[in-house]
Amino acid sequence: AQKITQTQPGMFVQEKEAVTLDCTYDTSDQSYGLFWYKQPSSGEMIFLIYQGSYDEQNATEGRYSLNFQKARKSANLVISASQLGDSAMYFCAMRELFSGGYNKLIFGAGTRLAVHP
Amino acid sequence: GAVVSQHPSRVICKSGTSVKIECRSLDFQATTMFWYRQFPKKSLMLMATSNEGSKATYEQGVEKDKFLINHASLTLSTLTVTSAHPEDSSFYICSASPRPLQQFFGPGTRLTVL
Repeated sequence: AQKITQTQPGMFVQEKEAVTLDCTYDTSDQSYGLFWYKQPSSGEMIFLIYQGSYDEQNATEGRYSLNFQKARKSANLVISASQLGDSAMYFCAMRELFSGGYNKLIFGAGTRLAVHP
Repeated sequence: GAVVSQHPSRVICKSGTSVKIECRSLDFQATTMFWYRQFPKKSLMLMATSNEGSKATYEQGVEKDKFLINHASLTLSTLTVTSAHPEDSSFYICSASPRPLQQFFGPGTRLTVL
């Protein structure tokens, strides 16, 4: 069975500093995808970044980058130049392919990030 | 684009009543929609996968008679919590998938059962 592990229940970072949120995964599939979502206190899930298992380069989206180490089965999220608005819960997720071609998402436990001024 | 709405955003009901939550994809068609449940300070747990025109696929441990899902059109799925009890209080989030690899989430519905 597929599994996502986020070992950091909470992290804090100083404004303008970079922070890395850890995510490891377990799967026997050759083709898979990894996502990071941000959930502010309002509750909506905001898509941040996606990495496919066959992508040769690490994904980047603005201040977000994904440090993908396939052999280690890790997909850490790096947020550069943290802002106060980055304070939120962050979830790592993996897509699980099922019949019909659509994908379920399996979520990790989440990491609460607090950005301090 | 790719906006998903949920209604209501917040609902309080008495124990024993039924509550319906709507999930709509506003600017795209979604053959597949997903329903998640999230307890306070916990992760999202997939409850069921809703397919337009067919029966929903429930995850293990989710009572299908308790959580009724209907996906009547390509833009609307509904989750009905039947005979709600306080332990059903939770944050319910839907997502809509216009194509494989994409899921867009709704803003969530906070259900409180008194």
